[in-house]
Amino acid sequence: NAGVTQTPKFQVLKTGQSMTLQCAQDMNHEYMSWYRQDPGMGLRLIHYSVGAGITDQGEVPNGYNVSRSTTEDFPLRLLSAAPSQTSVYFCASSYRGVSGYEQYFGPGTRLTVT
Amino acid sequence: AQSVTQPDIHITVSEGASLELRCNYSYGATPYLFWYVQSPGQGLQLLLKYFSGDTLVQGIKGFEAEFKRSQSSFNLRKPSVHWSDAAEYFCAVKTGNQFYFGTGTSLTVIP
Repeated sequence: NAGVTQTPKFQVLKTGQSMTLQCAQDMNHEYMSWYRQDPGMGLRLIHYSVGAGITDQGEVPNGYNVSRSTTEDFPLRLLSAAPSQTSVYFCASSYRGVSGYEQYFGPGTRLTVT
Repeated sequence: AQSVTQPDIHITVSEGASLELRCNYSYGATPYLFWYVQSPGQGLQLLLKYFSGDTLVQGIKGFEAEFKRSQSSFNLRKPSVHWSDAAEYFCAVKTGNQFYFGTGTSLTVIP
């Protein structure tokens, strides 16, 4: 299993540009999520999904969109990039249920918005 | 509002010494609790988790954590630190379908 994969690893955008961060998992996990990591602030949940066709907002959803058309994929879209979105983005997945909720994290995407 | 507090931003310990990293949370009920470790430039790896039952949980790499309901704490411990334990450590809680992370504790291990 490849686990959780993210592309690209690095990206530089200009203010106002849009882009999609890709996330895929091959573990048949129901739950997938996107976080941003900023210095001194830990990880903050952007959006999450509990299954195909179901998404919901996390702690910091503004400026981001998601969709979940398949169990495997959970892309994150930046509609109009702003310097405040400069961050490291992590995708994670897990099984749901009492025995689960162990999140497996991807390697991250480092995004710089100039 | 929900919150997870890791009061120690940075800790330095000598190799072989014991370690305790603090974590406090504020929620109405007992949440699901986790500790993760992050090496530089890497994603996060789960060390251990607590859902219910025995309040002392064992994890990987020789780590353990104790849930204390009365103190709303879930502190991480290791009896003897190795140089390879140098990393960033994050406490996290799950309530409903959302996860909340602390701001992290950076661990330096000196020989």
